[in-house]
Amino acid sequence: DTGVSQNPRHKITKRGQNVTFRCDPISEHNRLYWYRQTLGQGPEFLTYFQNEAQLEKSRLLSDRFSAERPKGSFSTLEIQRTEQGDSAMYLCASSQFSSYNEQFFGPGTRLTVL
Amino acid sequence: QQQVKQSPQSLIVQKGGISIINCAYENTAFDYFPWYQQFPGKGPALLIAIRPDVSEKKEGRFTISFNKSAKQFSLHIMDSQPGDSATYFCAAFKGNFNKFYFGSGTKLNVKP
Repeated sequence: DTGVSQNPRHKITKRGQNVTFRCDPISEHNRLYWYRQTLGQGPEFLTYFQNEAQLEKSRLLSDRFSAERPKGSFSTLEIQRTEQGDSAMYLCASSQFSSYNEQFFGPGTRLTVL
Repeated sequence: QQQVKQSPQSLIVQKGGISIINCAYENTAFDYFPWYQQFPGKGPALLIAIRPDVSEKKEGRFTISFNKSAKQFSLHIMDSQPGDSATYFCAAFKGNFNKFYFGSGTKLNVKP
């Protein structure tokens, strides 16, 4: 399968714990995006990378959130000291710089904070 | 401020009917307008997209109509099928912003 993959698919954690999600983009794609989607809403932009550089972060991304993309390949999104309000689907998407409009989404990681 | 407003929130259509979903945007700088289809438990998948230099784009049973002066665009699904039952999101994008703004979604249910 050459699409965008995300792991884990589901994560249940207790409030206050740290969680980390992984995204593996399509191999030749140099742009990688993270979105958050809550029930009944469209995806909301969190941050994006071009290669290994994090070029933009949304104001939605509090200091408890951090994302990395070492070597411009896979990316991780970490949430520290999780809160119940962090419960959502976290989506990753990737695109090629030459056709940056067309983003391909992964299946998402559903986070439930108890 | 919500950049992209989508309606209706939900839609029920009989098999063979036409499904119409509408979106309106605020920023005239947007230059790419895609529609995404999302099934439960899956990520959104690109369905069809349009740029503001054309007023209509058709791909199979799916058509986007675009009205630049009104800052509105819509998705028409002809001959709707039960397999089209999903949530549909419109979005708007501008290169300088480097991100999509999504509508809130329309849950389509096509009755057999």
